[in-house]
Amino acid sequence: QVQLVQSGAEVKKPGASVKVSCKASGYTFTNYQIHWVRQAPGQGLEWLGIINPKDGWTDYAQNLQGRVTMTTDTSTTTVYMDLSRLRFQDTAVYYCVRDPGLGRPDTRRNYFDTWGQGTLVTVSS
Amino acid sequence: ESDLTQSPGTLSLSPGERATLSCRAGHSFSSNYLAWYQQKPGQAPRLLISDASSRATGIPDRFSGSGSGTDFTLTISRLEPEDSAVYYCQQYDSSPFTFGGGTKVEIK
Repeated sequence: QVQLVQSGAEVKKPGASVKVSCKASGYTFTNYQIHWVRQAPGQGLEWLGIINPKDGWTDYAQNLQGRVTMTTDTSTTTVYMDLSRLRFQDTAVYYCVRDPGLGRPDTRRNYFDTWGQGTLVTVSS
Repeated sequence: ESDLTQSPGTLSLSPGERATLSCRAGHSFSSNYLAWYQQKPGQAPRLLISDASSRATGIPDRFSGSGSGTDFTLTISRLEPEDSAVYYCQQYDSSPFTFGGGTKVEIK
């Protein structure tokens, strides 16, 4: 079955960086694009960006431009989200989520049919 | 950025009752690019509805979506205890893809 399994919880200091991984299985990795979404404690959901595992194309939310980098490793079917210069407000659960696309590569619908289990990133001094 | 306003904030109903959740957009969508998700405590959200009215695989038919333009609705026709959750709408009409603030459904 389609699965996204994320790395474990992280605690970081302000100004540090964090890299969260998301291993995909159960489908052809390069046929589906991956987004990242975060949820601050007790809050709603915020879209962070998207990556196409086929060619590495990315599109990031404007408010994170310059701090977020998304990459993929097709040999291990893993997607990574790197967030730098962490702030207290970056404390959140980070989810990788699959875009269902249109059933063929290089297509996207921009909603999310499969979610990872989430990774809690805590920024604390 | 497209704002989505969900109402009510909380809905408290009994099993078997009908729940009607609203999601209103700040501007009209060119297409019905709206999804609904269910999130239970401690879990990741789950896709219920896409394209305003298409049920996702495995979603019971008591969940239905409707609407167009700026006004969208998620209806749960006969509430069951396991429907207790927070429900979010999400627009994918334009980037950045935004979510509403959520409606909490409590089962009495």
